[in-house]
Amino acid sequence: AQRVTQPEKLLSVFKGAPVELKCNYSYSGSPELFWYVQYSRQRLQLLLRHISRESIKGFTADLNKGETSFHLKKPFAQEEDSAMYYCALTGGGYQKVTFGIGTKLQVIP
Amino acid sequence: GAGVSQSPSNKVTEKGKDVELRCDPISGHTALYWYRQSLGQGLEFLIYFQGNSAPDKSGLPSDRFSAERTGGSVSTLTIQRTQQEDSAVYLCASSLGGRGEQYFGPGTRLTVT
Repeated sequence: AQRVTQPEKLLSVFKGAPVELKCNYSYSGSPELFWYVQYSRQRLQLLLRHISRESIKGFTADLNKGETSFHLKKPFAQEEDSAMYYCALTGGGYQKVTFGIGTKLQVIP
Repeated sequence: GAGVSQSPSNKVTEKGKDVELRCDPISGHTALYWYRQSLGQGLEFLIYFQGNSAPDKSGLPSDRFSAERTGGSVSTLTIQRTQQEDSAVYLCASSLGGRGEQYFGPGTRLTVT
């Protein structure tokens, strides 16, 4: 069974402060991990995926297989980062994607 | 180009009625997914299609839920004898090959009264 855990439903940080959105997963094989974001009144969209190893909008995420984590980080939060963030996992191929319950990030001006 | 579209955007129905939700994926995308988004529940996987076949229906909550996809394109999610607990936003997503980025539609907000 595959499972994604996002322990925080709400994370509030001040503008300019570092951000870390936690994601832990459970999967027996080699997973593909993603972060999706949903801004207010917009569609859910991909933010980044671990195999790309890129930084999007200043966010990065490193897959730690030892700790089975894929935390999302940004050194300096901006107000426009306020949104719902979902961590997701797939086993690859034509398989279902399992999402976490999401973390609402609130950046306080 | 056109993204994933869903219709209707909002649906209010009475308990016990049947509803059909439609999803038009991005042209050429072979994989199509249905999710349910409830407050505090995140995204709940319902079913995915590879072409017209559905290898994994494990997420469908009950036998009142069914889905089909025709011509490798449009998909319909049908909920029979709706219950109040079916109230949620139903999201559809498509992807090019079943791996990687999923493109989401705007969702259908279903309210069962």
